Amino acid sequence: DSGVTQTPKHLITATGQRVTLRCSPRSGDLSVYWYQQSLDQGLQFLIQYYNGEERAKGNILERFSAQQFPDLHSELNLSSLELGDSALYFCASSGQGPTIYFGEGSWLTVV
Amino acid sequence: QKEVEQDPGPLSVPEGAIVSLNCTYSNSAFQYFMWYRQYSRKGPELLMYTYSSGNKEDGRFTAQVDKSSKYISLFIRDSQPSDSATYLCAMSAGASNTGKLIFGQGTTLQVKP
Repeated sequence: DSGVTQTPKHLITATGQRVTLRCSPRSGDLSVYWYQQSLDQGLQFLIQYYNGEERAKGNILERFSAQQFPDLHSELNLSSLELGDSALYFCASSGQGPTIYFGEGSWLTVV
Repeated sequence: QKEVEQDPGPLSVPEGAIVSLNCTYSNSAFQYFMWYRQYSRKGPELLMYTYSSGNKEDGRFTAQVDKSSKYISLFIRDSQPSDSATYLCAMSAGASNTGKLIFGQGTTLQVKP
């Protein structure tokens, strides 16, 4: 158990809908990261937050947004969903060191 | 060309074999190199972390980094069926960007009893 908690574990939704994925980082970690894993693209970095502020941005679509709250939990919002957004979405967190720890992921299926 | 290249396999070996997993990369700014293990539909689990060039050993696992060749390796000795998983290499340019890891595609390993 990495200590990173993600909810929901699975969700199925229709095209055009909006979903919110939630993440609680390891105790004491200030950085939260979101990654997307699909069969064709592999594990892709989306965005990083550090203590409530956006720190780095990767290949995140404009339809997607994230935020980190004062209690350090984070949410990833996915809107106007398309079939191609079906993937595993991982949250990860880190402390002072360079290593990051992943949660178990949220499986999103868009139908 | 991808920044990090990793042979996806699959790689199948008998129990007890020595396994060699490799990645090449193109960005000479990478300084932090990691190996993650991912079981099916689970989150990636950090196995090894190396800074710059050199070797690091942890039990049956040895990580090697050759920055001059832009080549990293993970060796697994005395492989076990429980080692069957996908192994992902990952790297980043600096400590402040360590969350922005660039991952290889992953190599699927099967260790047969």
